[in-house]
Amino acid sequence: QITLKESGPTLVKPTQTLTLTCAVSGFSLTSRGVGVDWIRQPPGKALEWLAVTYWHDAIFYNSYLKNRLTITKDTSKNQVVLTLTNMDPVDTATYYCTHRIVPSTGGTGDLDVWGQGTTVTVSS
Amino acid sequence: DIQMTQSPSSLSASVGDSVTITCRASQGVGTYLAWYQQKPEKAPNSLIYGASSLQSGVPSRFSGGRSGTDFTLTINNLQPEDFATYYCQQYYAYPITFGGGTRLEIK
Repeated sequence: QITLKESGPTLVKPTQTLTLTCAVSGFSLTSRGVGVDWIRQPPGKALEWLAVTYWHDAIFYNSYLKNRLTITKDTSKNQVVLTLTNMDPVDTATYYCTHRIVPSTGGTGDLDVWGQGTTVTVSS
Repeated sequence: DIQMTQSPSSLSASVGDSVTITCRASQGVGTYLAWYQQKPEKAPNSLIYGASSLQSGVPSRFSGGRSGTDFTLTINNLQPEDFATYYCQQYYAYPITFGGGTRLEIK
């Protein structure tokens, strides 16, 4: 069974750096086709895609946040880490990590399994 | 970026009704379109991928369709557990983008 679980601080101050960890189980981060994404959702608002890291080390970022985002994976720990610098109150959101498989038939794959999410508030 | 426009933003219906939610892409995305269901305070749950393929375990009353850059999610014979918010998402190109959501409420 594929599971993902996010962890990290619930409260950060403006200008600080947020570090979130996604612990995965039931699959390998190095298995062909595997991707792990980060998505966020501000309170009462829609979903926003942030970044993805793939089994073969390819990484893509939302260009809107690219200068502030870093996604890395630690295959020995089965974890994917997201950092977001210079936090602002508008970054207050629930952050989700998700699993995807790139199908052999084409495309980049949908987000088939989601973690439960972790809520982060940015406030002084 | 590819914009995904969902309509309506909210919808009221009764148990047993059929409803259709529409999602329009600002440019072609082929069939790289997914639908997600989100209940309050819960993570989204994948319903449909490839525009019309149901994820394992999703009831057959859910169906997805496509006409060009217009996509639909239809729910037949609404059940109490179907009242939730629904999002479309394109995964044709980066950045991946979501629709604004459709809140389905009980009438």
